[in-house]
Amino acid sequence: EAGVVQSPRYKIIEKKQPVAFWCNPISGHNTLYWYLQNLGQGPELLIRYENEEAVDDSQLPKDRFSAERLKGVDSTLKIQPAELGDSAVYLCASSSRLAGGVTDTQYFGPGTRLTVL
Amino acid sequence: GEDVEQSLFLSVREGDSSVINCTYTDSSSTYLYWYKQEPGAGLQLLTYIFSNMDMKQDQRLTVLLNKKDKHLSLRIADTQTGDSAIYFCAERTTNSGYSTLTFGKGTMLLVSP
Repeated sequence: EAGVVQSPRYKIIEKKQPVAFWCNPISGHNTLYWYLQNLGQGPELLIRYENEEAVDDSQLPKDRFSAERLKGVDSTLKIQPAELGDSAVYLCASSSRLAGGVTDTQYFGPGTRLTVL
Repeated sequence: GEDVEQSLFLSVREGDSSVINCTYTDSSSTYLYWYKQEPGAGLQLLTYIFSNMDMKQDQRLTVLLNKKDKHLSLRIADTQTGDSAIYFCAERTTNSGYSTLTFGKGTMLLVSP
């Protein structure tokens, strides 16, 4: 079974440019997460989707960040315009409640490393 | 509030046991997780423990949970050079019907031959 797929793996852009990241979750996983990981830190949640609905976007900087998951499968995270401080790794994860809602364990993709110059 | 603390660095020799420690603050945590991150890669789930358990063993990995002290540890037996990576502890709490993971800053494990 394929894991969480993310692209691109690396992206270098100049500040003020737009950038987009794509995520394909594990098949059948209805919950999708976008995390931000700064150097030397653990992942921090940006947004969480249950199917196509964003149920927790309280940590998403909405002035420049946006996300969508139109058909409840793939998701795109966008930054416009990018700032120097956005340089980080952007991780996507997915999960699915087992019968009875036991674990809801999150599985992570390889991440997209963004460098803003 | 939620806060997860880990020591930042651990160095061991190949063949020794490694013990990575973690403390958390939210007593309502339902599950606690250990993830491994190798350079340039995402987080790989290693193991998890339910909050009503004291211990879980999975091959070379042993997880100990002291719920009273909110202390979690991961023991890796017969540590190999391939175990060198950053290990993240995470607590799962439920808020408004949705679960949230809070991660520590990670412990870098360096295994020398």
